[in-house]
Amino acid sequence: GESVGLHLPTLSVQEGDNSIINCAYSNSASDYFIWYKQESGKGPQFIIDIRSNMDKRQGQRVTVLLNKTVKHLSLQIAATQPGDSAVYFCAENIMGTSGSRLTFGEGTQLTVNP
Amino acid sequence: DTAVSQTPKYLVTQMGNDKSIKCEQNLGHDTMYWYKQDSKKFLKIMFSYNNKELIINETVPNRFSPKSPDKAHLNLHINSLELGDSAVYFCASSPRQITNEKLFFGSGTQLSVL
Repeated sequence: GESVGLHLPTLSVQEGDNSIINCAYSNSASDYFIWYKQESGKGPQFIIDIRSNMDKRQGQRVTVLLNKTVKHLSLQIAATQPGDSAVYFCAENIMGTSGSRLTFGEGTQLTVNP
Repeated sequence: DTAVSQTPKYLVTQMGNDKSIKCEQNLGHDTMYWYKQDSKKFLKIMFSYNNKELIINETVPNRFSPKSPDKAHLNLHINSLELGDSAVYFCASSPRQITNEKLFFGSGTQLSVL
């Protein structure tokens, strides 16, 4: 299953399928990107990050892809499990005169059906 | 041990009251933040402090006053609470302010103003 940016904030997939969550970021000067997972009643938890000098980074069952040309970030989750059900946020970091600032995207609700 | 802890978890109060939310981190980080999450799950930065010094102050009403007695604590005091203040408030910390590093979030304080 796949979400398309900010226009489809929900994604429903079957257990075992791969999930792709997309994010369009706003600032071409952003140099660091993070994906967070937020389960109900909890704070955002770090999943994976990527710096702007890379276009792909892999973790355990997760892969982040960065396309700076079109300012697009995606999170791929392999073999999605019910425990992956949560809201997923992309965040971009911008260095300014007062230091770095992490700005969050809208979020995508991922629901995994058993 | 909880890395970033905030209290209370839930706060229900009447309009016009003054309330405080406390946050403590035991990670030895230099920088702490307050984020507000609205009913649509949108996360927006409110303040950041680096070593007790205010770094970021977004367009937040001056009824909100953060206080950092030391770099491990960042409390948020809210005067004359309004209905629109109802949200989930997250405290977060990061090792340093001037580099690209992930944030560690607390579990949130759900504020309901009646």
